[in-house]
Amino acid sequence: SQTIHQWPATLVQPVGSPLSLECTVEGTSNPNLYWYRQAAGRGLQLLFYSVGIGQISSEVPQNLSASRPQDRQFILSSKKLLLSDSGFYLCAWSIGLAGGLAKNIQYFGAGTRLSVL
Amino acid sequence: AQKVTQAQTEISVVEKEDVTLDCVYETRDTTYYLFWYKQPPSGELVFLIRRNSFDEQNEISGRYSWNFQKSTSSFNFTITASQVVDSAVYFCALRMIYNQGGKLIFGQGTELSVKP
Repeated sequence: SQTIHQWPATLVQPVGSPLSLECTVEGTSNPNLYWYRQAAGRGLQLLFYSVGIGQISSEVPQNLSASRPQDRQFILSSKKLLLSDSGFYLCAWSIGLAGGLAKNIQYFGAGTRLSVL
Repeated sequence: AQKVTQAQTEISVVEKEDVTLDCVYETRDTTYYLFWYKQPPSGELVFLIRRNSFDEQNEISGRYSWNFQKSTSSFNFTITASQVVDSAVYFCALRMIYNQGGKLIFGQGTELSVKP
């Protein structure tokens, strides 16, 4: 069965420090991968998605970047954190397009709660 | 533009009451998918159901049921005989089938509190 891992679970960082959040998926190949942010007020916003190694699409211009160095690894980064980067970050995966357009349920990780102080 | 509206920000019920969570969506596409997710206090989003735009049959899964009405662009979720463990934030989401990458458009969520 497929599993998704996200770490760390909680992170407190000072303003201006770098960030690296990691997400890995097991039990599947060539998944679509996603980074969402949930700010206070609950709305979930898609930040980045990737349909393959090295392929990153950004949904919202911001202080963050994403990379996919391996098939089942997705990394969210920042060179210098801002206060506004605080929030709950969720990684998700779905079966890739090669698996059929109908196979598009997104399964989420446990999330990382980031506080920038 | 595509949009999902969950007008109920918070709902509070007493255990064993039935409760309906509303979801209204907007899209010009004729082919799309609708989803419900549950977010318990731990934070992880748990998939509950997926419905495609061509299937308007209502679905029941235990105490959960979903009412999809294309004519009113609604996909409402009912919990029968609610339990304390149902307390969570519930999200409705929309996905266009031809959308590159499979972006989900979420509503703002409804926080359900079930009191004993």
